[in-house]
Amino acid sequence: AQSVTQLGSHVSVSEGALVLLRCNYSSSVPPYLFWYVQYPNQGLQLLLKYTSAATLVKGINGFEAEFKKSETSFHLTKPSAHMSDAAEYFCAVSGGADSWGKLQFGAGTQVVVTP
Amino acid sequence: GAVVSQHPSRVICKSGTSVKIECRSLDFQATTMFWYRQFPKQSLMLMATSNEGSKATYEQGVEKDKFLINHASLTLSTLTVTSAHPEDSSFYICSARDEVGLAGNTQYFGPGTRLTVL
Repeated sequence: AQSVTQLGSHVSVSEGALVLLRCNYSSSVPPYLFWYVQYPNQGLQLLLKYTSAATLVKGINGFEAEFKKSETSFHLTKPSAHMSDAAEYFCAVSGGADSWGKLQFGAGTQVVVTP
Repeated sequence: GAVVSQHPSRVICKSGTSVKIECRSLDFQATTMFWYRQFPKQSLMLMATSNEGSKATYEQGVEKDKFLINHASLTLSTLTVTSAHPEDSSFYICSARDEVGLAGNTQYFGPGTRLTVL
């Protein structure tokens, strides 16, 4: 079974500052890990994914995440926040032969960007 | 690439009526699609896994007779909310799993459907 914990339901950052969103996972098998972003009243957009290749994964909109097996973490970062980064961010894990690719989502982190 | 559409984007219906929501993968084939429900300020709750050519697999606590799923082709899955009631009002989101090549085990999401039952 897999689970995801996102630390911090709300994060406020200044425009131009570092964005750091924390995600820790639990999985009994090598996981696939994902970060999605959701804007109000919209579906989810894939930011990036880890699928056992490089541990540092670069995604869209300047985001990247690092898979650290020893820490069971997959934190999302962006060096410089932009006003358009204000949204809800979800970390998700998938894995296991019988999972059918099911995703287990974290509770989400709401990002607010202040001028 | 990897675009998923949903129709309608929002629907308002009277209590007791049935509502059908369509989910289409526009530029890839998906043997597996998923249906989620999202309440305000909350994460996504998986309702069911839709498999092309076979019966859907429902998560615990989801009424299969209430939420009918049909995955008729490799690009279309439908969710029908039967005899809808106000408590069924929610944001419904589908996703399609791209299983080919480098996409691996990746789900791509539709834009969601806002259902309001009066």
